[in-house]
Amino acid sequence: DIVLTQSPALAVSLGQRATISCRASQSVSISRYNLMHWYQQKPGQQPKLLIYRASNLASGIPARFSGSGSGTDFTLTINPVQADDIATYYCQQSRESPYMYTFGAGTKLELK
Amino acid sequence: EVQLQESGPGLVKPSQSLSLTCSVTGYSITSNYWGWIRKFPGNKMEWMGYISYSGSTSYNPSLKSRISITRDTSKNQFFLQLNSVTTEDTATYYCARYSISSPHWFAYWGQGTLVTVSS
Repeated sequence: DIVLTQSPALAVSLGQRATISCRASQSVSISRYNLMHWYQQKPGQQPKLLIYRASNLASGIPARFSGSGSGTDFTLTINPVQADDIATYYCQQSRESPYMYTFGAGTKLELK
Repeated sequence: EVQLQESGPGLVKPSQSLSLTCSVTGYSITSNYWGWIRKFPGNKMEWMGYISYSGSTSYNPSLKSRISITRDTSKNQFFLQLNSVTTEDTATYYCARYSISSPHWFAYWGQGTLVTVSS
């Protein structure tokens, strides 16, 4: 299985840039498709899709969220961070679709 | 808009079976792919399996001997059954709809239901 590694937490000030990383144990890219996706989850709520295929903004998601990366290294950027963005962020890979999908352990975004 | 809602017992005894229902509105389960994901205490998330628009299934290999995902198209519902549960199956269970084009990311999620395995 592909293992996704995320830092457990990141402290950031309001109005600043937050950069959340996700590293895969092997490439999750197939030709031009980078099969890494990002979700936001707030306490007591379900996960919400933010970014699909590494850099595509999901419907209704503010433009302050962006994603980048390829191969094994991916980044979710929030700029500028707003109070409503305090949550846990998960990456998820689908390189092994349709037989296996894995999630990172999540990065908790906290206020500095 | 598509909405998903999980339902089922919140408490299951060890060695018994866990059974959950996902009721879908606003979209037919005979289209697209539909999955189950769980989140353990401590926040680890695990993909459990999916059922496709045609009724075919795919399961996490770590669960393959215990899991079954089925559906009732007349009620627009799909189901999760997990057999021989232990306390390690205590988690919040989510049903989700995949992206439209292919089963890669989870575009819509239910609210989740907490299932505790305890005697």
